[in-house]
Amino acid sequence: DIQMTQSPSTLSASVGDRVTITCRASQSISSWLAWYQQKPGKAPKLLIYMASNLESGVPSRFSGSGSGTEFTLTISSLQPDDFATYYCQQYNSLWTFGQGTKVEIK
Amino acid sequence: EVQLVESGGGLVQPGGSLRLSCAASGFTFSNFEMIWVRQAPGKGLEWVSYISSNGLTIHDADSVKGRFTISRDNAKNSLYLQMNSLRVEDTALYYCARDRSSRFDFWGQGTLVTVSS
Repeated sequence: DIQMTQSPSTLSASVGDRVTITCRASQSISSWLAWYQQKPGKAPKLLIYMASNLESGVPSRFSGSGSGTEFTLTISSLQPDDFATYYCQQYNSLWTFGQGTKVEIK
Repeated sequence: EVQLVESGGGLVQPGGSLRLSCAASGFTFSNFEMIWVRQAPGKGLEWVSYISSNGLTIHDADSVKGRFTISRDNAKNSLYLQMNSLRVEDTALYYCARDRSSRFDFWGQGTLVTVSS
């Protein structure tokens, strides 16, 4: 099974900060990676697919990069609506989610 | 507008059974693969069971294999999850989601399953 490890687990940041979350796969997954945002009490929302493709309707301050085993999600200028938990998900072999990264207010 | 509405959750004793349903609307249900994903209280996301658009291909997570059965009725635009031999560790919010080329682009709001004596 492919394991996905996110870092950090928690990130404290201020509005306007550039934020980067890392996701590592236990083996190569090419670009078969998605990122989701989840707010408390809500279902996850797809942000990025194929490692770097922005889902329709998602603000352009979100971007994804990487391939193989190392991936990043970047928020170029953190907005109040972005405080949430973020999950990566591989879909190279079935599906595995990372453990999540909580972005909280500094 | 795409909508997915789960139902059927509740409180059940260990060893009991529940059947979850997911009613889909706003898209051609029969064209899409579907998946169940769960989230234990305060924990992360875990895929549970997948079904192809025609129902012929199914994948189950090892944690539920032999206990849970996914199915669908394309005529009724509905997805199901039959859960048997429930364990305390199955307690979670269960989401159905639309699978678009293996990423999950629409999710329901979830139905809570609590397994407790």
